[in-house]
Amino acid sequence: GAVVSQHPSWVICKSGTSVKIECRSLDFQATTMFWYRQFPKQSLMLMATSNEGSKATYEQGVEKDKFLINHASLTLSTLTVTSAHPEDSSFYICSPSRDIQYFGAGTRLSVL
Amino acid sequence: GQNIDQPTEMTATEGAIVQINCTYQTSGFNGLFWYQQHAGEAPTFLSYNVLDGLEEKGRFSSFLSRSKGYSYLLLKELQMKDSASYLCAVRDIYTDKLIFGTGTRLQVFP
Repeated sequence: GAVVSQHPSWVICKSGTSVKIECRSLDFQATTMFWYRQFPKQSLMLMATSNEGSKATYEQGVEKDKFLINHASLTLSTLTVTSAHPEDSSFYICSPSRDIQYFGAGTRLSVL
Repeated sequence: GQNIDQPTEMTATEGAIVQINCTYQTSGFNGLFWYQQHAGEAPTFLSYNVLDGLEEKGRFSSFLSRSKGYSYLLLKELQMKDSASYLCAVRDIYTDKLIFGTGTRLQVFP
C-alpha cells in the first residue's frame, strides 16, 4: 500500500494555542490531499480538500480561518488548527487522492 | 444527493462467516471502498470495487452490483482480531471525494 506519513500522532495543547499537523505522501506525488475529522463513535467526515499550489476548498460548516491548510508541495500538506478550543478535540486524518485511497495514521488532538 | 447505509452493529462467532451489507445512492459513482478501523486507529484499506462482481483477497471478499447500488464485505474464518468497525465508502466521479457510511461495528466472540 501507499506510504502516508502523518505526525504528530498525538498532541495535547492548551485552549487558544495553535497546532500544526503534517501529512506526507512518501511514494506518490499527491496533487490533492483530503483532510478528515472523526469524533468518537462517528464515521469520518471530510473537512477540506487541499490542492497543490492553490487554495483549499472546505466542506460546508468547516471554518476556513480556523483550519488553515497549506499544500506547498506534491508530497506535503499541513493542517493548522488555530486558536484551538476543547470542541476541536478530535481525530484528524489525511488521505492523498489517488486510485486507491490510503490514510495517514491520524493525529489525536486533545485541547485542554 | 448521496446516501450510504450499512448496519450499525453486528456480532459473530470466531470461525464463522459474516456478511456486512452496504447500499448507496449517488449521482456519480467511481468506485466503492471497504476499510477496517480498529478503535483508536486510522482506517486501513481492505478492498476496492469499481466493476460488478466479486473481488476475493484471502479471508475477505467484496461484491459490487452497480445497478442495485449494493455491496457487501464477506469475512470468512473469523478471528478475534477481526473485531473492528468496517467502513463502506463511495467515491464521487466528479470530485474524487470519498463519502463514508456510518460504519459497522463488528464484535467477534469466542
